[in-house]
Amino acid sequence: SAVISQKPSRDICQRGTSLTIQCQVDSQVTMMFWYRQQPGQSLTLIATANQGSEATYESGFVIDKFPISRPNLTFSTLTVSNMSPEDSSIYLCSVATSGTQYFGPGTRLLVL
Amino acid sequence: AQSVTQLGSHVSVSEGALVLLRCNYSSSVPPYLFWYVQYPNQGLQLLLKYTTGATLVKGINGFEAEFKKSETSFHLTKPSAHMSDAAEYFCAVSASQGAQKLVFGQGTRLTINP
Repeated sequence: SAVISQKPSRDICQRGTSLTIQCQVDSQVTMMFWYRQQPGQSLTLIATANQGSEATYESGFVIDKFPISRPNLTFSTLTVSNMSPEDSSIYLCSVATSGTQYFGPGTRLLVL
Repeated sequence: AQSVTQLGSHVSVSEGALVLLRCNYSSSVPPYLFWYVQYPNQGLQLLLKYTTGATLVKGINGFEAEFKKSETSFHLTKPSAHMSDAAEYFCAVSASQGAQKLVFGQGTRLTINP
């Protein structure tokens, strides 16, 4: 398994600002993923982040809105840019290891 | 492409009763199937997974699931519900053994009545 931490755990932000979410894992992993969970809904994959290459974004998500960094094999960041109330969600990172995805505790974002 | 349908967004059972959460999938390749649980204000925790081999999979907290290819189903069961089982449950499918690009169902909220 993998132990994943995220910072911040929650935040309240004003519209038009940006927030960077950090994800740290306790072992080296090739692939990290970022998901969004809108209120009362399921998880939707935003992008896949591999170390040393550009992140791969899913349909409906763009790099300008959700830039991702992956500087090494244990760390990644997701930035939510120019936020609006529609961005209020839980953002979760996950890693794939041993044929399973393990999830961090999530970052709960409220945009006013 | 893969997709998952969870039948019943809310399920309510009495403490001690059987828990049955339904999941049907669609996949153009042999699927890898997962059940996750999300407790209030927490992240997702893996309950169990099916990759290959035995179709009855046992997980944590007394849960198990059976892969039925003919029915494209992967229902989650527990013989006797406990109050601590109250949570949101998600079924997910992946086309790859590396569990890349999970596709999640809409989730089922399980309520346990005393």
